[in-house]
Amino acid sequence: GAVVSQHPSWVICKSGTSVKIECRSLDFQATTMFWYRQFPKQSLMLMATSNEGSKATYEQGVEKDKFLINHASLTLSTLTVTSAHPEDSSFYICSARKDGRVEQYFGPGTRLTVT
Amino acid sequence: TQLLEQSPQFLSIQEGENLTVYCNSSSVFSSLQWYRQEPGEGPVLLVTVVTGGEVKKLKRLTFQFGDARKDSSLHITAAQPGDTGLYLCAGATSNTGKLIFGQGTTLQVKP
Repeated sequence: GAVVSQHPSWVICKSGTSVKIECRSLDFQATTMFWYRQFPKQSLMLMATSNEGSKATYEQGVEKDKFLINHASLTLSTLTVTSAHPEDSSFYICSARKDGRVEQYFGPGTRLTVT
Repeated sequence: TQLLEQSPQFLSIQEGENLTVYCNSSSVFSSLQWYRQEPGEGPVLLVTVVTGGEVKKLKRLTFQFGDARKDSSLHITAAQPGDTGLYLCAGATSNTGKLIFGQGTTLQVKP
């Protein structure tokens, strides 16, 4: 199997606070995980590549100090949205890749609403 | 910059009709994946094609990878309302493991 979970599935927070989203590969180890953002009726936008034991690689235009990524183990990556603002409201999806494979397996997503 | 152009972006058809979704690029990909996503959920992997000219079938869905590995198509035969969703193609870059996603095709199949 290739099951990826995300927690929480939805979260509402106040402007200025920080929110942490967890991504876990449940039945396989993943050296590499990815974080995406998706707007309604649009495709996925890659935010960063999360590498176990090393710093994440951020895509152009994504603020690394705002979107903190930690990949502390082979089955867990976290995304922390710091000092969240309403414009950060979105659907955040993570994926994990089995080592040596090209396919990515996606989590169910986290709906973030910043009020 | 590698881009994947996916078309059409929206498709609304009646149950029983056939349809084809296309993904085209000027770049060569080492492999290409097709995903299906329902509202509020993450994408689910349908198939991976690796070899130029490869054809894979998944029940009523037929996937083809172009000979030059720059394009791909998804053909659905006798569409059902359960096929409704967002279909995404994604090309894999060779070294980084990153996927380049097409814009997506929103399919609505009316009963």
